[in-house]
Amino acid sequence: GDSVTQMEGPVTLSEEAFLTINCTYTATGYPSLFWYVQYPGEGLQLLLKATKADDKGSNKGFEATYRKETTSFHLEKGSVQVSDSAVYFCALRVGGGTSYGKLTFGQGTILTVHP
Amino acid sequence: DAGITQSPRHKVTETGTPVTLRCHQTENHRYMYWYRQDPGHGLRLIHYSYGVKDTDKGEVSDGYSVSRSKTEDFLLTLESATSSQTSVYFCAISESLGTNQPQHFGDGTRLSIL
Repeated sequence: GDSVTQMEGPVTLSEEAFLTINCTYTATGYPSLFWYVQYPGEGLQLLLKATKADDKGSNKGFEATYRKETTSFHLEKGSVQVSDSAVYFCALRVGGGTSYGKLTFGQGTILTVHP
Repeated sequence: DAGITQSPRHKVTETGTPVTLRCHQTENHRYMYWYRQDPGHGLRLIHYSYGVKDTDKGEVSDGYSVSRSKTEDFLLTLESATSSQTSVYFCAISESLGTNQPQHFGDGTRLSIL
């Protein structure tokens, strides 16, 4: 079946540090890949997405590149801010009737950024 | 932001009682989903709907039922709540099944079963 594996957390960084959160996947079909962010007490918000190999998704200074050869979609940001503190989820979506459009999520990575 | 409202936002109840959670959307999207979020598991799909009165099971559906009598409302019922169903529940909607279509999430319901 489909699965997503994220790097173990929590991740603690100082402001302006470089961020990488690793994400790898296995999928039976050709998935689209997503990063969602969850701020405390809120639901999940779409951060960025990529729908085919070598696509780069980007938003709010975050980037991730769809790497089919390594089945990866690592999230990066060059300079994190305290306001980036949140839980980050990598997810995939595969087409086809039996998947019913569901998202398959990684376990989430807690990011804390200190001033 | 997508117009998704979950109610209640918080609930505490006792083992063995029935509980119903509501998801209301104003986007007229066809597809609706219920997920539960637990530490170390990310989000897992409970049930989903692909139209009015059309629903099906997800990967963790035991102990849950759903109903969708109107496009805008998707109800999740715990018929006899157990402590293992203590979780945060999220509703999501999607306009289509296209793989490039993201799902949009509500703010969640935190449910505690004592």
